[in-house]
Amino acid sequence: AQKITQTQPGMFVQEKEAVTLDCTYDTSDQSYGLFWYKQPSSGEMIFLIYQGSYDEQNATEGRYSLNFQKARKSANLVISASQLGDSAMYFCAMEGPSGYALNFGKGTSLLVTP
Amino acid sequence: DARVTQTPRHKVTEMGQEVTMRCQPILGHNTVFWYRQTMMQGLELLAYFRNRAPLDDSGMPKDRFSAEMPDATLATLKIQPSEPRDSAVYFCASGLRFSGSSYNEQFFGPGTRLTVL
Repeated sequence: AQKITQTQPGMFVQEKEAVTLDCTYDTSDQSYGLFWYKQPSSGEMIFLIYQGSYDEQNATEGRYSLNFQKARKSANLVISASQLGDSAMYFCAMEGPSGYALNFGKGTSLLVTP
Repeated sequence: DARVTQTPRHKVTEMGQEVTMRCQPILGHNTVFWYRQTMMQGLELLAYFRNRAPLDDSGMPKDRFSAEMPDATLATLKIQPSEPRDSAVYFCASGLRFSGSSYNEQFFGPGTRLTVL
């Protein structure tokens, strides 16, 4: 069975600073996908970034990058140059090869301050 | 601008009433997912379909919940009878997935916020 752990219930960061949101996972699958989603206060789920377990390079999408350490089973999200609009809940999720559905962590609430 | 649509966006009902939530996946997507979000449990998978066939509904209380895809443009989630503990936000998501492919971005709808009194 898969398990996703996000140990930071809440984080603060100052505008323009970088922030790292932690995610660790546990799985016996050899092939899997890791995702990060953003949920602003309006409630929608916004896809941010994806990392495949066999991808050798860390994924990047604009100001988002995924620090993937396979041996440690961690997939931390790094947001560079934080903006006020980055304030939201962030969810780490995993997809296994035997199913297409996502297994989500509990989320981290990020507050960006001026 | 293709997006997943869900209706209704908000629903308040009384315990014991039937609730039907509808989802229109993105045209051409072959997988549809229903998730439920609560403060206590977070985001949980209820059911998912591939090519309109149910692949997994193990997360769904079978005695009161049912999920169907009458056609490729409509997915429904029904609760009968509803209970206060069903109060949650219900998300539908759709994606495009083929056997052997390694990437399946899921596009989420705006959710249905259900309150059962």
